[in-house]
Amino acid sequence: DQQVKQNSPSLSVQEGRISILNCDYTNSMFDYFLWYKKYPAEGPTFLISISSIKDKNEDGRFTVFLNKSAKHLSLHIVPSQPGDSAVYFCAALYNNNDMRFGAGTRLTVKP
Amino acid sequence: EAQVTQNPRYLITVTGKKLTVTCSQNMNHEYMSWYRQDPGLGLRQIYYSMNVEVTDKGDVPEGYKVSRKEKRNFPLILESPSPNQTSLYFCASSPYRTSGRTFGPGTRLTVT
Repeated sequence: DQQVKQNSPSLSVQEGRISILNCDYTNSMFDYFLWYKKYPAEGPTFLISISSIKDKNEDGRFTVFLNKSAKHLSLHIVPSQPGDSAVYFCAALYNNNDMRFGAGTRLTVKP
Repeated sequence: EAQVTQNPRYLITVTGKKLTVTCSQNMNHEYMSWYRQDPGLGLRQIYYSMNVEVTDKGDVPEGYKVSRKEKRNFPLILESPSPNQTSLYFCASSPYRTSGRTFGPGTRLTVT
């Protein structure tokens, strides 16, 4: 049972434009959400997170939005750069240490 | 350098031959966990540990064991590997529950 879903396997955007990656979850018991970025042959790298009591968190070019009523979160990257090309995973955390990941979205930023 | 190390990085083995993948972190992190990555499924948590001698099952624990005897080490044990455990495995650590995990470089395991 996939509790965290990333319905777009891939996304292509032009350099300088906005990238929006989406994630849906089914369990309202998740209390924290995180985004990771993964390059080939490397482990995932933490990007940004948000608590379930907030609706927005910003860190430089990266902003995460959380809509609890819709059980939806999104990651905005502005402006997108070619170095942002990677697979992005969203993850959701229960109040123990149980973390569930989505299947990932491959972002390609074209120069 | 702050990091999570895993060994071996690549392993090909046969069904039923016990193996251990080691994981070590040098950041004094409380939390450690193991994940497997399979195409189309993302990362799935196998086991996690909140402190020494405290471990719990994740999403897909069947066929795996772990131990946390020291804070820095969290080995993953496959007592009797099967072909469906062929996967890419990641170990991760974090200082507290809600912090981003630091992942190791991965171990690619093939069971024939």
